[in-house]
Amino acid sequence: GAVVSQHPSRVICKSGTSVKIECRSLDFQATTMFWYRQFPKQSLMLMATSNEGSKATYEQGVEKDKFLINHASLTLSTLTVTSAHPEDSSFYICSARQGPYNEKLFFGSGTQLSVL
Amino acid sequence: AQSVTQLGSHVSVSEGALVLLRCNYSSSVPPYLFWYVQYPNQGLQLLLKYTSAATLVKGINGFEAEFKKSETSFHLTKPSAHMSDAAEYFCAVSRANAGGTSYGKLTFGQGTILTVHP
Repeated sequence: GAVVSQHPSRVICKSGTSVKIECRSLDFQATTMFWYRQFPKQSLMLMATSNEGSKATYEQGVEKDKFLINHASLTLSTLTVTSAHPEDSSFYICSARQGPYNEKLFFGSGTQLSVL
Repeated sequence: AQSVTQLGSHVSVSEGALVLLRCNYSSSVPPYLFWYVQYPNQGLQLLLKYTSAATLVKGINGFEAEFKKSETSFHLTKPSAHMSDAAEYFCAVSRANAGGTSYGKLTFGQGTILTVHP
């Protein structure tokens, strides 16, 4: 099946630093990528939808200046957590969709971010 | 608006026993429903999906789920658990379009961790 690679799988950083997470579709072109956040014992919450070559669409309550999303190519999207704080510590998951329908939606393995 | 509730954050069964993971949904439009599985250090994988055809849906690895509109449920079952079934399972809902495919945002449940004992 289709593979989505997410890197890094785990990152620990100091408060105030920025962290970049990459999401790559390895064997297909992803017109749309999604970024989710999951807090312990809670469901995956959609943060933003990213379409190649255009600005990301953020969900209500998600700060676009804090969570910078770039989708410069059909196989790569990046999420940068700027000036990270301990409350940003969470599990971040990306997904990539081949075409417009969820039947072709594939997930990365996630990134555990810990901000000290 | 859509929402999903998975009853039980942890389910523990013995190998060979029935697996039942519960999912209830709320949707103002006809829903499409999904079950995903996540093994340690891997991404979510699609187990099965309901897309308004047969109400009993068969998926991979012997899992199946039944859509019950009257109960707004989409519970996941497997007759006989295997050690390799230990993972976290997520139920999700999205909208359906007239063409019979799922589009739009997926709304996930909280996840259920399945533990299988020897």
